[in-house]
Amino acid sequence: ETGVTQTPRHLVMGMTNKKSLKCEQHLGHNAMYWYKQSAKKPLELMFVYNFKEQTENNSVPSRFSPECPNSSHLFLHLHTLQPEDSALYLCASSQESGGRAYEQFFGPGTRLTVL
Amino acid sequence: GEDVEQSLFLSVREGDSSVINCTYTDSSSTYLYWYKQEPGAGLQLLTYIFSNMDMKQDQRLTVLLNKKDKHLSLRIADTQTGDSAIYFCAESRDGGYNKLIFGAGTRLAVHP
Repeated sequence: ETGVTQTPRHLVMGMTNKKSLKCEQHLGHNAMYWYKQSAKKPLELMFVYNFKEQTENNSVPSRFSPECPNSSHLFLHLHTLQPEDSALYLCASSQESGGRAYEQFFGPGTRLTVL
Repeated sequence: GEDVEQSLFLSVREGDSSVINCTYTDSSSTYLYWYKQEPGAGLQLLTYIFSNMDMKQDQRLTVLLNKKDKHLSLRIADTQTGDSAIYFCAESRDGGYNKLIFGAGTRLAVHP
């Protein structure tokens, strides 16, 4: 595997389900990000982890719970979601998140549908 | 405010030049980016420009920055069908961490 991978690529879940999205980066980076891309809004940053520590929570509802066990893996745990949470969830990584123009490399995304 | 604005759609003929425009509001932005998203894929960084530059050229891509007007543009020369995608403008600020603020994206359609 190379670059940033995300699984699953597609997920359909009910509002009472609990599921997790997984992201893995094979680039030796130290920062990882979750973004939400929905049809009606620009790309929204959700969470940032730098060296496994969360450095940004962009006022995300608690029904989204991130986890970063190491610099290569990032999870997004989902529970009791709403239909308006249906979107493409993108993971990204960069060398680190402290300033400079560190390019963010994106995964292909998980297309989430909440019924 | 932190808004980044782009027109939503652009249609060009194959072989012509495409110009995608973007305006941003944060005068403290130090880096501005252009990302490309093809169907079913994540975002790919095309190019970026530092705020003390006014132009950057990379093969078929030319980025122009007017810092006074907070206006950024991406010109694609000799546009090809493979250039059909959504193009996102984004800004970030130095210090702290690399938080990117994205525009809504411009869908570029290239027709024969």
